[in-house]
Amino acid sequence: AQKITQTQPGMFVQEKEAVTLDCTYDTSDQSYGLFWYKQPSSGEMIFLIYQGSYDEQNATEGRYSLNFQKARKSANLVISASQLGDSAMYFCAMREANQAGTALIFGKGTTLSVSS
Amino acid sequence: DADVTQTPRNRITKTGKRIMLECSQTKGHDRMYWYRQDPGLGLRLIYYSFDVKDINKGEISDGYSVSRQAQAKFSLSLESAIPNQTALYFCATSGRGSSDTQYFGPGTRLTVL
Repeated sequence: AQKITQTQPGMFVQEKEAVTLDCTYDTSDQSYGLFWYKQPSSGEMIFLIYQGSYDEQNATEGRYSLNFQKARKSANLVISASQLGDSAMYFCAMREANQAGTALIFGKGTTLSVSS
Repeated sequence: DADVTQTPRNRITKTGKRIMLECSQTKGHDRMYWYRQDPGLGLRLIYYSFDVKDINKGEISDGYSVSRQAQAKFSLSLESAIPNQTALYFCATSGRGSSDTQYFGPGTRLTVL
């Protein structure tokens, strides 16, 4: 079973609009962390935002916020006021505290296209 | 200078050749990782290392080997490259905490003909 599911292969949004990228996860651990990365067409992986499973507040970083719904096991990324430079692939990832290596488990990604 | 560097950035090789991808980091992290990215599959873990004496297989280690030459250096080898190893390869590092961000190198685009 997939541990990280991103159901939207592609999303389209106009500049200045907000967009939500979905991510659901599956874990039996109580302690875990959720990450979002951006991958522009140039290929590098850029860290955007982190949410810990025990964090009471939703994480925010500038125009990025994470809508964390623990009971539903969802960790959606919200980008406010989209910009052309937001066009990229976005990956949701999870780290389980009890997992050896503390490596990240990635979803398959969502491609976001922002138009003017 | 970048905190995590990978060499080469691009490589085209032939089936059966041995190839090494190198990774260096200046972040002082103990933990280093190799991932591969295939279109539509996200990133998958090949190997990870906690320190120079601790190396572990990841999800898709078959056909690969690694060497942790120093805290800052972690190399990935394909002993006998095959076409389905054509992919984008990433090295990453992180601190020890479960909340520590994982920092990625720029990636190596490998093509096996």
